Amino acid sequence: DTAVSQTPKYLVTQMGNDKSIKCEQNLGHDTMYWYKQDSKKFLKIMFSYNNKELIINETVPNRFSPKSPDKAHLNLHINSLELGDSAVYFCASSHLRVDYGYTFGSGTRLTVV
Amino acid sequence: AQSVTQLDSQVPVFEEAPVELRCNYSSSVSVYLFWYVQYPNQGLQLLLKYLSGSTLVKGINGFEAEFNKSQTSFHLRKPSVHISDTAEYFCAVKKEAAGNKLTFGGGTRVLVKP
Repeated sequence: DTAVSQTPKYLVTQMGNDKSIKCEQNLGHDTMYWYKQDSKKFLKIMFSYNNKELIINETVPNRFSPKSPDKAHLNLHINSLELGDSAVYFCASSHLRVDYGYTFGSGTRLTVV
Repeated sequence: AQSVTQLDSQVPVFEEAPVELRCNYSSSVSVYLFWYVQYPNQGLQLLLKYLSGSTLVKGINGFEAEFNKSQTSFHLRKPSVHISDTAEYFCAVKKEAAGNKLTFGGGTRVLVKP
């Protein structure tokens, strides 16, 4: 069973479109995250939710909106996509106490053309 | 603000040779330290972590790291690498009371040559 699963794995779309990426974890973790990895492999946190409550909201354009319907799901919706949004987006989960580390999904490669 | 610096962006190494990946962090408070590995087209996998206690930490796949508080470093080592160790390696830091946020270094690409 996949611990943290993201869909879709690949997403190619045109500028200006709206798209969503879904994430689900079956580990019983209470905290979920979205990270963006750019073309130089740099990883930067975007958002974090604990039990459906937003606890980390980095400087991210408001075109990006996370939604957590329950603690096992954290989706990312992106409006009016731009070329610079092209990246790999990783979902991760953990217990709020970080002792166990994060478990990452396999990533969603978003390409905006 | 805390930051994480991985001093080498790329490390080529021959198979069965040792490798050391350097990581330095800046923080005035206690931190927790991690190393993750990313194989091509995959997510990140936890190699090892330092939370407290012994400064030498052993992880999976024969990797180990040593926490040095005075030098604010957490270097990763493996005595003998395999072709399968070719991957991107990330050092990460979490500061106490940072909302569980992991801050990652820029990554070090290890290329193991036969």
